Amino acid sequence: QKEVEQNSGPLSVPEGAIASLNCTYSDRVSQSFFWYRQYSGKSPELIMSIYSNGDKEDGRFTAQLNKASQYVSLLIRDSQPSDSATYLCAVLGGATNKLIFGTGTLLAVQP
Amino acid sequence: DTGVSQDPRHKITKRGQNVTFRCDPISEHNRLYWYRQTLGQGPEFLTYFQNEAQLEKSRLLSDRFSAERPKGSFSTLEIQRTEQGDSAMYLCASSQPREPQHFGDGTRLSIL
Repeated sequence: QKEVEQNSGPLSVPEGAIASLNCTYSDRVSQSFFWYRQYSGKSPELIMSIYSNGDKEDGRFTAQLNKASQYVSLLIRDSQPSDSATYLCAVLGGATNKLIFGTGTLLAVQP
Repeated sequence: DTGVSQDPRHKITKRGQNVTFRCDPISEHNRLYWYRQTLGQGPEFLTYFQNEAQLEKSRLLSDRFSAERPKGSFSTLEIQRTEQGDSAMYLCASSQPREPQHFGDGTRLSIL
């Protein structure tokens, strides 16, 4: 079992729809969770961080964390073609300072 | 805040050559990280510094790889006797303690 798992996609949604991206992790002691957006050929860009159970909203983005289920998600409302990218889920290991990344989910927003 | 800076952006070299990459972190960040990313994969952790001390190294960091962060400012990552499998994007990130990591633009290494 991989430490951080994501559906590789591609996830295709029409413009204006809600995109839902999911991630599960295996290390129960993990405390910090992040979503990075990566455009093709570019480096990861931090878009959300979440540390406690529940929802965290920032503009069109909402991160959700359920530590009991070891599950993190990212919702993108009113999806735009410019949101088309790979979304990387990252978990900060419980006993370490390294980020453990999933393989990323490719999101395609269709105009 | 000028962000994390990496140099060079691209490096093409022949197998067996040595290469060195540089990373300048965000100025007030005392933590600096190196990751490697290959096509279709998420970044993989290589090593981490707090100030000038290298505190953690991945098993991925073979003896051909060495990283330094003299004086706790910029960092260098050197790969000796490069191999085809070293072709990847090498990413540097920095952070304050307990804060998210911010990435530079990366150095893309191609081994001929």
